[in-house]
Amino acid sequence: GENVEQHPSTLSVQEGDSAVIKCTYSDSASNYFPWYKQELGKGPQLIIDIRSNVGEKKDQRIAVTLNKTAKHFSLHITETQPEDSAVYFCAASIGPTGTASKLTFGTGTRLQVTL
Amino acid sequence: NAGVTQTPKFRILKIGQSMTLQCAQDMNHNYMYWYRQDPGMGLKLIYYSVGAGITDKGEVPNGYNVSRSTTEDFPLRLELAAPSQTSVYFCASSLTGQVAHFGNGTRLTVT
Repeated sequence: GENVEQHPSTLSVQEGDSAVIKCTYSDSASNYFPWYKQELGKGPQLIIDIRSNVGEKKDQRIAVTLNKTAKHFSLHITETQPEDSAVYFCAASIGPTGTASKLTFGTGTRLQVTL
Repeated sequence: NAGVTQTPKFRILKIGQSMTLQCAQDMNHNYMYWYRQDPGMGLKLIYYSVGAGITDKGEVPNGYNVSRSTTEDFPLRLELAAPSQTSVYFCASSLTGQVAHFGNGTRLTVT
């Protein structure tokens, strides 16, 4: 089955700096790659996603890039703020829209934004 | 909309006891999922459903059962609880099958 590896496990950046989290996946058939933010005591919240027919997607301070050849995708957060502090998870799944998305998750990155 | 609602928030079970974790969504989503999250790990899929009356196993289904009698509800049943089932359980729903909206979880301890 699919295997998703995520690095680093912890990341500390100063406010205003950029943060990059990287994931690799094993199954070349995976075609949907979401990123989730999980705050303490809450469920994961989708922050951005990308499909395999797109190389990059941006949403304000957040961007995701996908390299299908190398089977890796990355989350980029620019101008980090203290409220960005949380655990971030990458995930991958196979299947077109309209089928159940059986997500395989990475092990998470704890991001700490310091003042 | 309340989104995905999970109850209870916390529960302590003794080994061998049974319980049902409740999950309800008010978004009329056909797809629903149950995941478990162990410390320092990503979420793993237990069961999922593509609509009322249809359920299927995920990656780690042993020790669990589900039912889906309505679009709104997707309860997860634990029979004969074991310490290995100590975890945080998340329910999620999706309109398209892919984008998942998660509840806030149920923290279960089996002692």
